[in-house]
Amino acid sequence: SQQGEEDPQALSIQEGENATMNCSYKTSINNLQWYRQNSGRGLVHLILIRSNEREKHSGRLRVTLDTSKKSSSLLITASRAADTASYFCATDSGTASKLTFGTGTRLQVTL
Amino acid sequence: EAQVTQNPRYLITVTGKKLTVTCSQNMNHEYMSWYRQDPGLGLRQIYYSMNVEVTDKGDVPEGYKVSRKEKRNFPLILESPSPNQTSLYFCASSLWGISGGAEGYTFGSGTRLTVV
Repeated sequence: SQQGEEDPQALSIQEGENATMNCSYKTSINNLQWYRQNSGRGLVHLILIRSNEREKHSGRLRVTLDTSKKSSSLLITASRAADTASYFCATDSGTASKLTFGTGTRLQVTL
Repeated sequence: EAQVTQNPRYLITVTGKKLTVTCSQNMNHEYMSWYRQDPGLGLRQIYYSMNVEVTDKGDVPEGYKVSRKEKRNFPLILESPSPNQTSLYFCASSLWGISGGAEGYTFGSGTRLTVV
């Protein structure tokens, strides 16, 4: 079963704009992670935010977490064509055997 | 370079012909896992291993086998592949167990399997 659901499913923006993706999940978590996947390739870990954190930054990435709403957002500022990829949230519930991944947001950044 | 290596990258096979997808990591990670990725279904876990000789089923283990005889290797075996196992497969490993820790999971590049 899918723990995380990303929204929107697809997003198209122009280079230089900001991209915001949202993730909602169902059960309590220890941490939430974001991954990027270039077409047909393996996922790459971007950032982790723990359940007791509300916001985290890494370069052009900003992640927020609202545990009361069971939701997270990933903001990519000043997007570049190289940011074109699918982005997945993944949750660690502390009780499951794995990270549980959502179905992803496809981001297209055009010149 | 720290990595997870999967082979082959692409594979087309016929129904019923046994195959093995290899996965090897050079980071001394204890936790390893196999996922399959299908359109609209996201990533679903097949099997995972907490350490050598310790394996367990994930969400979709039917039709698959795994083994963990060495820490670095975690092969995925399809004894009698069927067309519904056509998918994109990923091996992943983690230093910090299931949670992945601050570094998260390290994924292989994927194996695109087609069973005809």
